[in-house]
Amino acid sequence: QSALTQPRSVSGSLGQSVTISCTGTSSNVGNYNYVSWYRQYPGKAPRLLIFDVIRRPSGVPDRFSGSKSGNTASLTISGLQAEDETDYYCCSYAGRFNWVFGGGTKLTVL
Amino acid sequence: EVQLLESGGGLVQPGGSLRLSCVASGFTFSTYAMNWVRQVPGQGLECLSGISGNGDTTYYADSVKGRFTISRDNSRNTLYLQMNSLRAEDTAMYYCAKALFGGHDYWGQGILVTVSS
Repeated sequence: QSALTQPRSVSGSLGQSVTISCTGTSSNVGNYNYVSWYRQYPGKAPRLLIFDVIRRPSGVPDRFSGSKSGNTASLTISGLQAEDETDYYCCSYAGRFNWVFGGGTKLTVL
Repeated sequence: EVQLLESGGGLVQPGGSLRLSCVASGFTFSTYAMNWVRQVPGQGLECLSGISGNGDTTYYADSVKGRFTISRDNSRNTLYLQMNSLRAEDTAMYYCAKALFGGHDYWGQGILVTVSS
């Protein structure tokens, strides 16, 4: 069982928006503004999409945005594209060089 | 260009040992914390172990505490994971990742460890 809870799957239509939630506790998500999101294609390493809750690394489109309220963080993907269909993981710093991940969410683009 | 290159994986019998290495380039290695993250096939990501930039502070997940040891040689820009008493459930893809507090900005390509008789 993962430390952070994500929905196992979400879906959205081409061009629409979808939001993936990530629920932790006051020991991780609620205590640090250090939430990150990753996209992972099968057989590939994860790629950072969002860090520090809301910041995007260079090269990540502004279709990807992050937010947090209390113990729950969210990733919103707007203008869904076919290439967005894959797995997404959230992660939070939990103190003393420990990070905890969510169980992952499979995004289906309809 | 930042690169992380893992090595040392492979097939090992239950109870055996392996040492993973991760050679880093393209950034000042000693400045950054590093993590080992694993992924059982078909499952999610698990942060196994972390180490501070100077190596003074380490973290281990309960699943590997007492069996795995993380270390680093900043003179060689290399991160290590010594894995002892390996179990079938340790079979996974192992990634090294460069860690910021707010996220892991670079990942290796992963190295497969298979524990089987």
